[in-house]
Amino acid sequence: DQQVKQNSPSLSVQEGRISILNCDYTNSMFDYFLWYKKYPAEGPTFLISISSIKDKNEDGRFTVFLNKSAKHLSLHIVPSQPGDSAVYFCAASDRIQGAQKLVFGQGTRLTINP
Amino acid sequence: NAGVTQTPKFRVLKTGQSMTLLCAQDMNHEYMYWYRQDPGMGLRLIHYSVGEGTTAKGEVPDGYNVSRLKKQNFLLGLESAAPSQTSVYFCASSTDGNSPLHFGNGTRLTVT
Repeated sequence: DQQVKQNSPSLSVQEGRISILNCDYTNSMFDYFLWYKKYPAEGPTFLISISSIKDKNEDGRFTVFLNKSAKHLSLHIVPSQPGDSAVYFCAASDRIQGAQKLVFGQGTRLTINP
Repeated sequence: NAGVTQTPKFRVLKTGQSMTLLCAQDMNHEYMYWYRQDPGMGLRLIHYSVGEGTTAKGEVPDGYNVSRLKKQNFLLGLESAAPSQTSVYFCASSTDGNSPLHFGNGTRLTVT
């Protein structure tokens, strides 16, 4: 049972445009959500997070939106740059249980075209 | 400041062989984790540790053992490797159970 799903394995976006990556979850106990970015032959690196008490969190070009009623979150990157080409993982956890219950999605490969 | 270092980077094993994957962190983090990543799947937690001398099972612990004798090191052992353990293994650490994870660059293991 995949509790966190990223239904788009890949996404291609023109440089300068907006990239929108989506993530759905099924466990209503999840109250903390994170996005990680991964380049080939490297480990994932933390990008941005959001708590369930918020519906939006912004950090520079990156914004994460959370829709709790739909159990859906999205990552917006604007403007997209070539260096944003990577695999993006969303992850969710129940903060009472902590990181040992962190569940990752399958990842979306983002390609930014010049 | 190296962060999280994993050794080796690559390894090929024959079925039934054993090996230990090493993970070291220099950030004085309490929590450490071992994940595996397989094609088409997200990272799955194998074992984790909330402090020196402690270990606990994650989502997919079967076939693996771990030890955390020193705060900075977390070892993952395969006693009798199986082809199903072919994967990329990532070690991670965090300050506490609700802080973002810092990952190493992974160990690519192939079991033939």
